[in-house]
Amino acid sequence: SQQGEEDPQALSIQEGENATMNCSYKTSINNLQWYRQNSGRGLVHLILIRSNEREKHSGRLRVTLDTSKKSSSLLITASRAADTASYFCATDASGRAQKLVFGQGTRLTINP
Amino acid sequence: NAGVTQTPKFQVLKTGQSMTLQCAQDMNHEYMSWYRQDPGMGLRLIHYSVGAGITDQGEVPNGYNVSRSTTEDFPLRLLSAAPSQTSVYFCASSYSPGPTGNTIYFGEGSWLTVV
Repeated sequence: SQQGEEDPQALSIQEGENATMNCSYKTSINNLQWYRQNSGRGLVHLILIRSNEREKHSGRLRVTLDTSKKSSSLLITASRAADTASYFCATDASGRAQKLVFGQGTRLTINP
Repeated sequence: NAGVTQTPKFQVLKTGQSMTLQCAQDMNHEYMSWYRQDPGMGLRLIHYSVGAGITDQGEVPNGYNVSRSTTEDFPLRLLSAAPSQTSVYFCASSYSPGPTGNTIYFGEGSWLTVV
C-alpha cells in the first residue's frame, strides 16, 4: 500500500526558482521523512519531522507538517541543477519498527 | 566508514533459482531493513530487524527470507526466484529508532532481473 501520495508527479523549473512538493497520507504517524534519489542511486535522507513538530529547516530545505490535514510539503529554495532528482516522502506509523511507507515520488528537473 | 554496502550490484537469475543479496553496515546500527523498488514506484518494506537475532516481516515478505546473526550483516535470500521479483533492492540501517524514529541510511541498491 502506498500511504504517501505526492503531488506533483513531475516538476520542471528554472535554476534559481523555488520548488515545492506535497505529500498526503492516510493514517496517524510518528514521523514523516523526505528522501532524495538520484537516477540509478540509493536514497539519501533529507529531513525527519516528528508528529509533534510543524516545521523544520535544513539549509535550503524547509519541511512543514500538518497532522490535521495529514499532509506535508518540501520546499527547496534557490534551486540548482544538482537538485535534479526524485523526491520521496515516507511515513512511519510504527515507531520502533520504522516501517516506512513511501509515496511514488516527485521527479524534479532543474533547467539551467 | 563505508556505510551500508550491498552486493552484488547487478544479478540475472533464472526462474526457480535461489540467491542471497548481501548487506553489511559498519556504523554499529541496531536496525536494518530491506526494501524493493519497482519502476516508477516508491519503496516497499520486505523484512526488517531491530537487532541481532530478531527479524520481522514488512509489507511484501513472500518469497524472501532473512536472518540477523550479527549486528553488521543482514542478508536477503530469494528462495525460488520468480519474474515478479525483478526489482531494485535496497538495504537500509539506522540507530535504534526509539518511539519517534531515527535517520535511515540506504545502500546503493542491487538490480535483480529474473528471466
